[in-house]
Amino acid sequence: KAGVTQTPRYLIKTRGQQVTLSCSPISGHRSVSWYQQTPGQGLQFLFEYFSETQRNKGNFPGRFSGRQFSNSRSEMNVSTLELGDSALYLCASSWSGGGDTQYFGPGTRLTVL
Amino acid sequence: GQQLNQSPQSMFIQEGEDVSMNCTSSSIFNTWLWYKQDPGEGPVLLIALYKAGELTSNGRLTAQFGITRKDSFLNISASIPSDVGIYFCAGQLNAGGTSYGKLTFGQGTILTVHP
Repeated sequence: KAGVTQTPRYLIKTRGQQVTLSCSPISGHRSVSWYQQTPGQGLQFLFEYFSETQRNKGNFPGRFSGRQFSNSRSEMNVSTLELGDSALYLCASSWSGGGDTQYFGPGTRLTVL
Repeated sequence: GQQLNQSPQSMFIQEGEDVSMNCTSSSIFNTWLWYKQDPGEGPVLLIALYKAGELTSNGRLTAQFGITRKDSFLNISASIPSDVGIYFCAGQLNAGGTSYGKLTFGQGTILTVHP
């Protein structure tokens, strides 16, 4: 069974631009969670989607948004990029998001110049 | 944001030695997970724990879910060079609402193994 895939793996953007990251979960998994990883803050929860609905959201500004499609694939968008948005963005999938094991993708490394 | 207290922050050991790391929280969790991350890659699941008091092994790795549901430890026996990496603990509270899909992570333990 294929694992979680994320595209692109690397991105370089400039301040003020916007970016869209994509995540394809493990087949059959309906919950997708997104995390931001930085050296200073560690791994921080962004939001979770299940059946095309955002069920939970972390403490991030509204510039961070996401969506999920009917095939459970998910995208996250960051608008008006800031230097501090440079990070490794990770998505993780699980069957239900209700305490079952989350499996992570390889991440997208975003650099904002 | 909230993080679990994971210790030690780093460890330098000789190949063949045993390793122990732990995580504590001020609040309870229903699920404890241990992951290993290599630079530039996503965390890879090592062990999942779902029940207080549970002790689970995966090869040379052993982890336990604390009785109070506020802590967990991971032991690695007879370390080898490929054990090098960053180890993270993560907890999840399965109470719906603001716990859906949300893992809370420790700061990580950087493990270096000298041959």
